[in-house]
Amino acid sequence: QKEVEQNSGPLSVPEGAIASLNCTYSDRVSQSFFWYRQYSGKSPELIMSIYSNGDKEDGRFTAQLNKASQYVSLLIRDSQPSDSATYLCAVPGGSGGYQKVTFGTGTKLQVIP
Amino acid sequence: ETGVTQTPRHLVMGMTNKKSLKCEQHLGHNAMYWYKQSAKKPLELMFVYNFKEQTENNSVPSRFSPECPNSSHLFLHLHTLQPEDSALYLCASSQEGTSGEETQYFGPGTRLLVL
Repeated sequence: QKEVEQNSGPLSVPEGAIASLNCTYSDRVSQSFFWYRQYSGKSPELIMSIYSNGDKEDGRFTAQLNKASQYVSLLIRDSQPSDSATYLCAVPGGSGGYQKVTFGTGTKLQVIP
Repeated sequence: ETGVTQTPRHLVMGMTNKKSLKCEQHLGHNAMYWYKQSAKKPLELMFVYNFKEQTENNSVPSRFSPECPNSSHLFLHLHTLQPEDSALYLCASSQEGTSGEETQYFGPGTRLLVL
């Protein structure tokens, strides 16, 4: 059974701080990992993907992957109120095939002005 | 806009009704998906279609019936639903290869309420 675990939050951070969102997964075969952002009442939108161990940076976002520990995280620097949303960790495939994506329950982030 | 549209955006139906959800993707993708999102639960994959062929049915009850007439359109036919089927139904599409790095793009969803 493939599982993706996230702390549901809410995670509250002051504006300008770094928000750290964490995700663990159970399927050791998984090779790719995605972070989606979902605003309330909206559909998920992809913000980051990562396939190799280490860090991947894109603007204020940094994804970190440690396959040995089965851990992927998302850092948001200089957090803004507009970053307030639910962040979903998604792990496709592994033993289930690439298209069978397993999503975590999401972490709700609140950025306090 | 992501290039994936869904209609209707909101739907209220009784347990004896029959209705259909429609999804259309304008991205030239070859794979389409139906997901269910309930409160406090993770997104649940329901169905996957590759090149119009169903490749995944994630143990979905038969009261949900998908149809994919071509690679751009996907339907979800609903009949004799239960109140617990009330949820946000999301359609997604992707261009599938073999790398596992294919990104899924979501439509805006249909908010379904079953009375």
